Amino acid sequence: ETGVTQTPRHLVMGMTNKKSLKCEQHLGHNAMYWYKQSAKKPLELMFVYNFKEQTENNSVPSRFSPECPNSSHLFLHLHTLQPEDSALYLCASSPQAGGHYNEQFFGPGTRLTVL
Amino acid sequence: SQQGEEDPQALSIQEGENATMNCSYKTSINNLQWYRQNSGRGLVHLILIRSNEREKHSGRLRVTLDTSKKSSSLLITASRAADTASYFCATVDNYGQNFVFGPGTRLSVLP
Repeated sequence: ETGVTQTPRHLVMGMTNKKSLKCEQHLGHNAMYWYKQSAKKPLELMFVYNFKEQTENNSVPSRFSPECPNSSHLFLHLHTLQPEDSALYLCASSPQAGGHYNEQFFGPGTRLTVL
Repeated sequence: SQQGEEDPQALSIQEGENATMNCSYKTSINNLQWYRQNSGRGLVHLILIRSNEREKHSGRLRVTLDTSKKSSSLLITASRAADTASYFCATVDNYGQNFVFGPGTRLSVLP
């Protein structure tokens, strides 16, 4: 247990559906991250939130919409996804973003399949 | 281009043997971190080595860093079947930004 939980663990959705992924951390951290992990590709950083403010958006398509209502919760809202968006979506947290010793703590991930 | 790149991409060894994985990077870093990922799960932080450090140990893990060669190695001694996983290096630049993962090494430890 890393102190970071993600729900759901598995999600199958059609291209016209709208769904949300949820991440919660119980570590008192101030930074939270969304990563995408596709088969045979390195982890791709999608979004970074530091003290509830989005500090990084790595050219992610607008069909992915993050929300960070507080430092403990992070959501990823999904709509009109494409089959190539199927991947493992990982949430992580760290004491703060941009720190020099920012070890990240990862959740177990949500396995997303877009049909 | 990727900052951290591990090699080999895949490694298969017998239980009890040592496993060595390497990571190369391109730009100056503040620190380099190694993570482990069991299949389809989240990543677990193993060890962090700072740019002014050359070697660190944690249990059966030994990490070295050579900033002149822009490379790091992770050595797992006396491997166990439970060490089977993917291992990733991640680099953090001098500003503490740009946390970038390499593509990983998939280690299989055969009983």
